[in-house]
Amino acid sequence: AQKVTQAQTEISVVEKEDVTLDCVYETRDTTYYLFWYKQPPSGELVFLIRRNSFDEQNEISGRYSWNFQKSTSSFNFTITASQVVDSAVYFCALSEDVGNEKLTFGTGTRLTIIP
Amino acid sequence: NAGVTQTPKFQVLKTGQSMTLQCAQDMNHEYMSWYRQDPGMGLRLIHYSVGAGITDQGEVPNGYNVSRSTTEDFPLRLLSAAPSQTSVYFCASSYSRTGTKTQYFGPGTRLLVL
Repeated sequence: AQKVTQAQTEISVVEKEDVTLDCVYETRDTTYYLFWYKQPPSGELVFLIRRNSFDEQNEISGRYSWNFQKSTSSFNFTITASQVVDSAVYFCALSEDVGNEKLTFGTGTRLTIIP
Repeated sequence: NAGVTQTPKFQVLKTGQSMTLQCAQDMNHEYMSWYRQDPGMGLRLIHYSVGAGITDQGEVPNGYNVSRSTTEDFPLRLLSAAPSQTSVYFCASSYSRTGTKTQYFGPGTRLLVL
């Protein structure tokens, strides 16, 4: 069975600091997909990034970057120079390549950016 | 495109009442699903559908029914509401044929069962 662990329940940092959100996953499949979603205080779920298991290249998008390491089964998310608008709950999720697209979510990390 | 829409936004039910949560998408997505979000538990899959006429159970299906008569709509039915079904419900959809596997979520329905 697949599992996603986000050990950090809550994180608070002062604005402009960098912050890394951890995600560790478990799966028996060799082909799988990893995702990060953001849930701001308004409640909607916003897709941030998708990674497949064959692509271990790290990715940078503006202030956001993702570090995917199969050797440690981790898919960590870093926000550089954090801003108050980054305050949200962040979810990591996993989907196995089994013909459907079921997502297994972690329990989320609540990030608070202090002005 | 409106994307994924859900109605109602908020609902209060009494124990034993029934209701249907509506979900629609206008992106011609094949795959649709329902999740519930509870504090400290992330999102858990209730039911999903890989296309019109095909549905299957997820992780927590008990107390819920679904049907998929059209590509666009995927309603979730609570037959006899229980306080344990108090939660926020999210509908999601994705376009399987491209293999992107990226699911896009509706705004959610907050349900309170008294």
